[in-house]
Amino acid sequence: GAGVSQSPRYKVAKRGQDVALRCDPISGHVSLFWYQQALGQGPEFLTYFQNEAQLDKSGLPSDRFFAERPEGSVSTLKIQRTQQEDSAVYLCASSLGLADEQFFGPGTRLTVL
Amino acid sequence: AQSVTQLDSQVPVFEEAPVELRCNYSSSVSVYLFWYVQYPNQGLQLLLKYLSGSTLVESINGFEAEFNKSQTSFHLRKPSVHISDTAEYFCAVSKGGSNYKLTFGKGTLLTVNP
Repeated sequence: GAGVSQSPRYKVAKRGQDVALRCDPISGHVSLFWYQQALGQGPEFLTYFQNEAQLDKSGLPSDRFFAERPEGSVSTLKIQRTQQEDSAVYLCASSLGLADEQFFGPGTRLTVL
Repeated sequence: AQSVTQLDSQVPVFEEAPVELRCNYSSSVSVYLFWYVQYPNQGLQLLLKYLSGSTLVESINGFEAEFNKSQTSFHLRKPSVHISDTAEYFCAVSKGGSNYKLTFGKGTLLTVNP
């Protein structure tokens, strides 16, 4: 596709459920980023991949959060045993390389009840 | 670590009026600076960036921002806004030399009224 796509666009989960959020980056983009945007806040960095290697996961808030990019293209952010504080918009971005412009997807809005 | 402060959460203006959206940052190292825009129901888009060189940078739709190292600011300005400029604007910073791990401000909602 022409841009970064994310699915689902909206997800409602009951507290304690596991969720998986998908990101399809722009074809050929080596770098992939995940950000979390809480209501009324700016996006906050979660993790970064270069190809299939997860080079920085310093922003993941807890060990319930796990991200993977096994073939260096599509990425999945998984949240186990969701909590209400996990409610946020999860943004994915990709770039050609580490020092290039990041292109953002539309985000997945996660609501945990 | 870097941090970004956007001093105004909301800025209402009338069409064709000038506007300034303020952004201040703190960092102990050199930084790259960015402004992103998010139109309603759309993803974040890069508006303009400062990496090095001229401290005044411009976008294709008439916005400009000036990097002021002494005041640690990167304010966004436009001399005459249009209704279509209504959006949320985010200032962001990354550590100089590595354009990843963007640190964002909380955003400023610009509302342009007729």
